[in-house]
Amino acid sequence: ETGVTQSPTHLIKTRGQQVTLRCSSQSGHNTVSWYQQALGQGPQFIFQYYREEENGRGNFPPRFSGLQFPNYSSELNVNALELDDSALYLCASSPRQVPETQYFGPGTRLLVL
Amino acid sequence: AQSVTQPDIHITVSEGASLELRCNYSYGATPYLFWYVQSPGQGLQLLLKYFSGDTLVQGIKGFEAEFKRSQSSFNLRKPSVHWSDAAEYFCAVGGGNAGNMLTFGGGTRLMVKP
Repeated sequence: ETGVTQSPTHLIKTRGQQVTLRCSSQSGHNTVSWYQQALGQGPQFIFQYYREEENGRGNFPPRFSGLQFPNYSSELNVNALELDDSALYLCASSPRQVPETQYFGPGTRLLVL
Repeated sequence: AQSVTQPDIHITVSEGASLELRCNYSYGATPYLFWYVQSPGQGLQLLLKYFSGDTLVQGIKGFEAEFKRSQSSFNLRKPSVHWSDAAEYFCAVGGGNAGNMLTFGGGTRLMVKP
């Protein structure tokens, strides 16, 4: 069984650019959540997608947006990148039977210069 | 609003010694509680979870945690630490009105002395 996968593993962008991060959920999982983890801190919830719709959002501005596709994979888009967006971005998927339990991917490390 | 506090930023223990990592939470309803472990540059691996029932839960890698409602705590324990346990440990709370959103503590970095 394949776990949660994310791409790319690392990314360097400059301030003002846009970025798209991708996540493939674990087999049998229909909910995807995204988190931002700044260096030395715990992850912070960005938003969650269920049945291709946003199902909860944390305290992040609208320039953070997402999509979920029919195969339950997901994208995180960030527009107008700022230096403080430099972080590890984690995707987590949850199974239908136990939606409260989240299984994380390895993350995408984004550096904004 | 829900919150999680991990009072110890760093902990160092000798290999073979016992371990207890502290976690305190603030939550308005019955919480769902989790412990995750993160190795350097990696994602989070679920160690164990508590939803209801027996307040002592067993997890992977020999870890256990005890839910104490009166103390709003969910401390992680291991009787004998191995060098491979060196990592960062995160406690998280979720469920109820917050839906499936997880709120994490700031983490505790565990170092293991040979």
